[in-house]
Amino acid sequence: AQSVTQLGSHVSVSEGALVLLRCNYSSSVPPYLFWYVQYPNQGLQLLLKYTTGATLVKGINGFEAEFKKSETSFHLTKPSAHMSDAAEYFCAVSERTSYDKVIFGPGTSLSVIP
Amino acid sequence: GAVVSQHPSWVICKSGTSVKIECRSLDFQATTMFWYRQFPKQSLMLMATSNEGSKATYEQGVEKDKFLINHASLTLSTLTVTSAHPEDSSFYICSARGGGTGLYEQYFGPGTRLTVT
Repeated sequence: AQSVTQLGSHVSVSEGALVLLRCNYSSSVPPYLFWYVQYPNQGLQLLLKYTTGATLVKGINGFEAEFKKSETSFHLTKPSAHMSDAAEYFCAVSERTSYDKVIFGPGTSLSVIP
Repeated sequence: GAVVSQHPSWVICKSGTSVKIECRSLDFQATTMFWYRQFPKQSLMLMATSNEGSKATYEQGVEKDKFLINHASLTLSTLTVTSAHPEDSSFYICSARGGGTGLYEQYFGPGTRLTVT
């Protein structure tokens, strides 16, 4: 069975500092991996996804993530945090052989301190 | 990009009444739609998967007689919460997949906040 863990339910960074949100997954088959962002009382917006090919994936708003198979990780980073980055971030995984289910991690709340 | 809408964005109803939430794919045909539930400060929990013209597949622990899902067309799915109770108060989010965007990507609606008094 697939699962997703996100280390740190809440992360605080200073404006301009590096953002690192951790995600580890468990899957019996090579997965598709996603990062979503959710602002209060809104739906989810896709930041980036990994399906195949290059393991370093660039997304919107300056975010990127690297798929590391050996570490079963897909950590999200951004070199310089902006106040507008404050939101809830969800890592998610989907099996390549079963497109129906996307399993979400518990989420990490990111605060940006001015 | 693909757009998914939900209506209403928020609803308040009295205990014992039923509420219908609509999920529409605006610019693509959604062969599959998903319904999620999200409690405050928690992650999304998949409730059910619906394919156009077929009965929905419910996740374990989700009462199919309480949460009625209909996917009658390629652009519309509805979730009806029957005989709602305060514990059904939650944020309900739908997503849709299809339209040549790749089998793996779901596009999410903005969510519907349900409050049962």
